Formats: sequence, structure tokens, C-alpha cells
Amino acid sequence: NAGVTQTPKFQVLKTGQSMTLQCAQDMNHEYMSWYRQDPGMGLRLIHYSVGAGITDQGEVPNGYNVSRSTTEDFPLRLLSAAPSQTSVYFCASSYRTGGMDEQFFGPGTRLTVL
Amino acid sequence: DAKTTQPPSMDCAEGRAANLPCNHSTISGNEYVYWYRQIHSQGPQYIIHGLKNNETNEMASLIITEDRKSSTLILPHATLRDTAVYYCIVRVPRVYGNKLVFGAGTILRVKS
Repeated sequence: NAGVTQTPKFQVLKTGQSMTLQCAQDMNHEYMSWYRQDPGMGLRLIHYSVGAGITDQGEVPNGYNVSRSTTEDFPLRLLSAAPSQTSVYFCASSYRTGGMDEQFFGPGTRLTVL
Repeated sequence: DAKTTQPPSMDCAEGRAANLPCNHSTISGNEYVYWYRQIHSQGPQYIIHGLKNNETNEMASLIITEDRKSSTLILPHATLRDTAVYYCIVRVPRVYGNKLVFGAGTILRVKS
């Protein structure tokens, strides 16, 4: 298994540009989520999904959209990038919603918005 | 989810046990204690979790006090590769959503 994969690894955007951060997992996990991590801080939840077709907001959802059309993929869209969205973005997945299972994290996407 | 308090940083000599404390005095009866760590620039990594009994796996041991108001993560023989930020998280597993709320964590520096 490849686990949780994220693309791209690095990205530089200009203010106002849009882009999609990709996340995929091959473990048939129901639950997937996106976090952001700003320098020197812990992770904050952006959006999460408990299964295909079901998404919900986390603690910092503004400026981001998500959709979950398949079990494997959970892309994160920035519609109009702002410098405040400069951060490292991590995608995570786990097997059972509401269960005790560990979450698997991807390697992260480092985004800079100029 | 209950609030947790961890020391901001700790040092440990290579080969010695690293004992990382976590205070969660407001924990409720159905909340679990989880530990994750984040090695520099990488995604967080699950270590261990428990409810009230002590737990051990190939990475670490988790000791939870009888009143469950605090716990200790033990890395029995710390190596330089264990240098990381360690997060203690207390949460109730939910039917919808396995949300993890990360605090500031403890920076563990393992020194040779």
C-alpha cells in the first residue's frame, strides 16, 4: 500500500489564484480529513469527510472547499488564495468513523501564497 | 474534548527512557487518551492510545493514573530518531468524525 499520498509537495501561488491540493489513500478508509499547520503551531482541522458524498467543516474552513466523490480521493480547493493561507497542509485518513483507529497522515503540501 | 497540558520541551539522553507527562484533569469517563508525534517536516504519526488500563505496543507504553487525570508516555530506549514534537490528545470517539484537536505538544530532544 502507498498509504496516504499528497500532491504537490510544494506550491507557490499569487494572491487570488486558485488551486487544488490532491489527497489519495489506498487503504479503503472511510474517514479523511485536511489539516493545516502554521509555523510553530499545532495542526488545525479544515474539513473532513466520513464517506463518499459526505463532508463537514472543521475549525478553520473559511477559504477552502472540499468534495468526496470516491472513497479514495479527497481534494482540497483554494478558490482565491490569500497570504494567510500560507501553511503546510496535511491530509489524513482512518478506517472507521468514530472508532478507535489510528489516523494515517500524508507527507504534506507546503504552500506559499505571495 | 478535554483540554490537555504538556510541558513545552524536554531533553533525554540517548538510550535512556523518555517519560512524557500529560495532564488532563477534566477528562470524562468515555474519553480516550491518544498520543501522536511529529518528526520535523513530516506528517504526524500515531503512537498509542488508551482508556484506563496501561497499554504497551512496539513503540511505547502508556501509563494512565487511576483517577485518569494524567498520563505518561514512555519511550523505553530513546534514540536520536525519537526527537520530535509529541502530542497528547483526549477525545471521545464520535459516530461522525474522528477529529483530532492538536495542542502545542512537547518538543522532545534526544541527545547523544
